[in-house]
Order: sequence, then structure tokens, then C-alpha cells
Amino acid sequence: KNEVEQSPQNLTAQEGEFITINCSYSVGISALHWLQQHPGGGIVSLFMLSSGKKKHGRLIATINIQEKHSSLHITASHPRDSAVYICAVSTGKLIFGQGTTLQVKP
Amino acid sequence: DTGVSQDPRHKITKRGQNVTFRCDPISEHNRLYWYRQTLGQGPEFLTYFQNEAQLEKSRLLSDRFSAERPKGSFSTLEIQRTEQGDSAMYLCASCDSMNTEAFFGQGTRLTVV
Repeated sequence: KNEVEQSPQNLTAQEGEFITINCSYSVGISALHWLQQHPGGGIVSLFMLSSGKKKHGRLIATINIQEKHSSLHITASHPRDSAVYICAVSTGKLIFGQGTTLQVKP
Repeated sequence: DTGVSQDPRHKITKRGQNVTFRCDPISEHNRLYWYRQTLGQGPEFLTYFQNEAQLEKSRLLSDRFSAERPKGSFSTLEIQRTEQGDSAMYLCASCDSMNTEAFFGQGTRLTVV
């Protein structure tokens, strides 16, 4: 079993829909990162969390340390949100989930 | 400082040749990570440095792979006697502690033919 699991692996949504991507982990962490990767592109950091909730524009990230679970929400999704979203946890090194491929259709 | 930079962006090499990649982290970051990513997969940890010390090396990293960060600034990743299975995107990231945001380079895409 991977130390970081994401669900779903693939997600297709219509423009405007509310989207949730989940991340569960099984190790002790100091922080959790949500990252975005566009096809052929580099990785961009969206959030770094160690507790609670953060919001940036239409993106919201939450973490529950006791349950070892985090969620990334996208409100009013747009085709430009189409990308791979990756959860990674800090344990000294970064351990990555497999990523969630999101496609938002107009 | 424009972020983490990697060189080259693309490398095509014949099987059996040696290749070397370079990563220049954000200057004040003391942690530097190397990852490998194949199509459709999340990045896999290879190794990381705190300053010039290599703190951990993945079991995925065979003895054909070696990484250095001699002055605690830029790092190099060398692959000797490349194999087709080495074809992947090699990513570098840096941060200044475990609890700060990590910044990623654009990666070096290696193709072994």
C-alpha cells in the first residue's frame, strides 16, 4: 500500500461544477502539499498545510491531522483548471501521491 | 532569483552512454530533492540533500546513479551506462526546511534510445 493515496485517479467535470480531490496518508508528517502539474509542464505548489484550512481564489485545501486526510476543492471549475493535481507529504523528504488527472469540459 | 532551474530541459542519449543533469535551487534553500516521474505516475523519490550532505537515497537508485551537491548550492545527477528504463522526467525541488513550500524545476526529460 502506498504511503500517500489519492482519489479519484481520474475526474471529468463540466465547467462550473464543484470538485473535490482527496488525499490520505499513513505516515507522520510535518506538512502536506497540494501541487498542480499541467501536461508537459513543471510542478507548481498550490498549498502547504500543517493544520486547518487555506483558501486561494477558487481553491480551498483542508487537512485533518487526526484522520490523516486532506481534501482539495475547486469551486466554479473552469477548463483551465484541467491538470494533474498531486498531494505530497513532508517527512524529511516529500512523498508523492499518484496524482489525480482532472479534465474540465466547457 | 527566478526559481529552481534545471539543465538541460531535454536529453536524448544512446543506451550505454553516461548523462549528467544539473539543478540550481533557490539560493537560500538548504534542502534539494531529486525525483523521477514516468508518464501517468506521480514523482518517485530518488535522493535528497541538506546543504552538501546527502541524507537519503532511494532503493530505486541503482549504483549507476550518483548525485552530488559539493558546495551546498547546485546539484548534479549522473546516470552511467544508461538503459531504456531510465527514460523519464527528472525533477529537482528545493525548500529551506521540512515545513516550507517546495519549489520545483521544469525537469529534464531523458530519452534513452
